[in-house]
Amino acid sequence: GENVGLHLPTLSVQEGDNSIINCAYSNSASDYFIWYKQESGKGPQFIIDIRSNMDKRQGQRVTVLLNKTVKHLSLQIAATQPGDSAVYFCAEVGAGSYQLTFGKGTKLSVIP
Amino acid sequence: EAGVTQFPSHSVIEKGQTVTLRCDPISGHDNLYWYRRVMGKEIKFLLHFVKESKQDESGMPNNRFLAERTGGTYSTLKVQPAELEDSGVYFCASSPLGPPTGELFFGEGSRLTVL
Repeated sequence: GENVGLHLPTLSVQEGDNSIINCAYSNSASDYFIWYKQESGKGPQFIIDIRSNMDKRQGQRVTVLLNKTVKHLSLQIAATQPGDSAVYFCAEVGAGSYQLTFGKGTKLSVIP
Repeated sequence: EAGVTQFPSHSVIEKGQTVTLRCDPISGHDNLYWYRRVMGKEIKFLLHFVKESKQDESGMPNNRFLAERTGGTYSTLKVQPAELEDSGVYFCASSPLGPPTGELFFGEGSRLTVL
């Protein structure tokens, strides 16, 4: 697959458990953050976003937490399902910028 | 509504040849972006169009890469001549507005293999 050679960190969770995927971002001036899900053979798919004036945002089964002090972003997935198996990327956007800077990605494997 | 479509899905060419990748954004999306992931690396920004104008091409690796968006609709990314290190997956994305006010919709990518 396209992720061969990328040496992604892998997280394996049991179906029904909660998953937490972490990301350290690099630019303290970034003011917008997004989590993407990428399934094999597909492009990145938007999951949830958060602006720098917030520290938590919730969606359907997903929560994003932002800690600007330590430049850390996390994605929590509740009641993880087999369909959640994918590679998850965080991305940051600097103030006034249109460029997304992607993190390395984490591969989530859900054990039925 | 059709999503972002990219063609070809996979292209295998010899070093020195030319390849042209095409992206059809979602209809009405003025913003169009090209990103790529080369082997072992993160997804990296290449360039950004607003309609037919290049807003930011700071991510283009060198002058072997040429992107166009004539008429502000579909876009092409030409690599000429292709080198081995150009192998990877090229993603196109479009949005009605730029971040942070607009979600980017990605295509499935065009995989380029240079032999």
